[in-house]
Amino acid sequence: EAEVAQSPRYKITEKSQAVAFWCDPISGHATLYWYRQILGQGPELLVQFQDESVVDDSQLPKDRFSAERLKGVDSTLKIQPAELGDSAMYLCASSPQDRDYEQYFGPGTRLTVT
Amino acid sequence: GEDVEQSLFLSVREGDSSVINCTYTDSSSTYLYWYKQEPGAGLQLLTYIFSNMDMKQDQRLTVLLNKKDKHLSLRIADTQTGDSAIYFCAARNQGGKLIFGQGTELSVKP
Repeated sequence: EAEVAQSPRYKITEKSQAVAFWCDPISGHATLYWYRQILGQGPELLVQFQDESVVDDSQLPKDRFSAERLKGVDSTLKIQPAELGDSAMYLCASSPQDRDYEQYFGPGTRLTVT
Repeated sequence: GEDVEQSLFLSVREGDSSVINCTYTDSSSTYLYWYKQEPGAGLQLLTYIFSNMDMKQDQRLTVLLNKKDKHLSLRIADTQTGDSAIYFCAARNQGGKLIFGQGTELSVKP
């Protein structure tokens, strides 16, 4: 069964450092999402891509966060500089073109900023 | 604004039925979802229902939707210890964005 891949699974970084997360969606899925999940809360959308184009980045803190999906396949989310409040689970999800109402999540990257 | 609310905890005995409830505010929500999250893991899509349906059954799972009251429920029949997890309700708005609740922690006692 195809799955969304994410790496690393865990990341510990010091505040003011740069950190990057990688996501490989299910093969053929045109839509890719990055979510942030703070402990004890539901996921919140940070950015949505359709192929290589950003569809929605209204909740992305653009002063420190950036996301790209250059070839419309895998994607990278970067934080620079990291702050203590960025500690969270970062989840990637993808949707198939013909059923874009279905979102399938990866295992996530747990970020701890010290 | 758009909001999804769930109770935080539910405890049941193994073999009993579990019912997890959710309310949402956006009456134009197109799809409603239930996801399961085990500790340290991502979200697993359990089931979803289109807004013009009022019930969907999938093996041990039954979803009920009351669109008038904007209320969604998930019933798990014959609950097992492996069902212990956090269950998230989500509503898809007209723009295609999923709005998640804060999750209900289900504890199944043997």
